[in-house]
Amino acid sequence: AQTVTQSQPEMSVQEAETVTLSCTYDTSESDYYLFWYKQPPSRQMILVIRQEAYKQQNATENRFSVNFQKAAKSFSLKISDSQLGDAAMYFCAYRKVAGGGADGLTFGKGTHLIIQP
Amino acid sequence: NAGVMQNPRHLVRRRGQEARLRCSPMKGHSHVYWYRQLPEEGLKFMVYLQKENIIDESGMPKERFSAEFPKEGPSILRIQQVVRGDSAAYFCASSPQKAKMTEAFFGQGTRLTVV
Repeated sequence: AQTVTQSQPEMSVQEAETVTLSCTYDTSESDYYLFWYKQPPSRQMILVIRQEAYKQQNATENRFSVNFQKAAKSFSLKISDSQLGDAAMYFCAYRKVAGGGADGLTFGKGTHLIIQP
Repeated sequence: NAGVMQNPRHLVRRRGQEARLRCSPMKGHSHVYWYRQLPEEGLKFMVYLQKENIIDESGMPKERFSAEFPKEGPSILRIQQVVRGDSAAYFCASSPQKAKMTEAFFGQGTRLTVV
């Protein structure tokens, strides 16, 4: 079974600084998707960024970028120029490529990101 | 285009009662996923449905829990004879087709409290 591990229960960063959230995963699949979701106090799950495992290039979305290390099974999220609105729980998630069986996302336990003004 | 709508947002039930959680997927989406989030935890996959079919229920408890997605109307997650341990936030996600799960969109969840 796939597992996703986020080893940082909480992280704190000064506004405008850069922070990196860690995520590792375990799978025997060679092709899969990885995601970072943001969950603010409203509880809405918001997709921040996604990475397809067969793509070597790291995904980037404005201030958000990932460092995808397939061999190490590592998928960290870097947030540049942190803003107060970035404060939230961040969840790393895995899904195998469609092909039958469970297609649900497997989530880590989350990292609570605090932005210090 | 309205997003994924879940209702109610909050639901309080006494032990032994039934809880019914509703999820209306985004327009044009025929795939629905239910997840449960316990306090201080990530979301855990429960069940995946298409219209009138349960595709994968490997994450759903065998007893007391059931889900449906009828041809007309919302998807329903039903919990019979609720217990305190069922208290959690239940999230629904929808996508237009299986291969497009990367585009799944989440509702705001239903927080179930069992007293």
